[in-house]
Amino acid sequence: EAGVTQFPSHSVIEKGQTVTLRCDPISGHDNLYWYRRVMGKEIKFLLHFVKESKQDESGMPNNRFLAERTGGTYSTLKVQPAELEDSGVYFCASSPPVGSGRVGSYEQYFGPGTRLTVT
Amino acid sequence: AQSVTQLGSHVSVSEGALVLLRCNYSSSVPPYLFWYVQYPNQGLQLLLKYTTGATLVKGINGFEAEFKKSETSFHLTKPSAHMSDAAEYFCAVSGSWGYQKVTFGTGTKLQVIP
Repeated sequence: EAGVTQFPSHSVIEKGQTVTLRCDPISGHDNLYWYRRVMGKEIKFLLHFVKESKQDESGMPNNRFLAERTGGTYSTLKVQPAELEDSGVYFCASSPPVGSGRVGSYEQYFGPGTRLTVT
Repeated sequence: AQSVTQLGSHVSVSEGALVLLRCNYSSSVPPYLFWYVQYPNQGLQLLLKYTTGATLVKGINGFEAEFKKSETSFHLTKPSAHMSDAAEYFCAVSGSWGYQKVTFGTGTKLQVIP
């Protein structure tokens, strides 16, 4: 089966512009997560969707970040307006439904990440 | 609340030598523990995980880790380093009630010297 995919792989934008990152989870995975790694620091949780609902958005840094998952399939993360400190690698991950009993039910499968540079 | 501490942001070993990457965690609930690896220009790949049961877990590429509750540690080892092991390694923890967010350490870059 195809893994988690993210688009674009790289994005360079100027401060004040808007950027939208996309994540396509593994088919059938109800759980979708966004994480971010700012240079030199740890990978930090941003939010968690269960299907189209936000289960936990405690890691979202501020209201310049908007995550959506319409229809419970792919997700987008919009940054508007972007600031210099938003630069980093944004990872998406997905995992199977709760209680599915599927192999790897407690494992999050990560995408390759989107490297965002704000200049 | 959970946290992970990885000792050493950079570790260098000679090819064929033992690899030891240290990880200590803090968790208010029984933890699930993970090691992820990121090769250059690639995404995060799960090396191994501890959920329940046997405390010594084996992963891919000859890596293993031992969960020591008394020491709150989950160190990663490999008996003999290979050049292809050069990558960044992340220790991570989540709650044992599934599907919770994962908390990562700051990562350790492993350099393998020929």
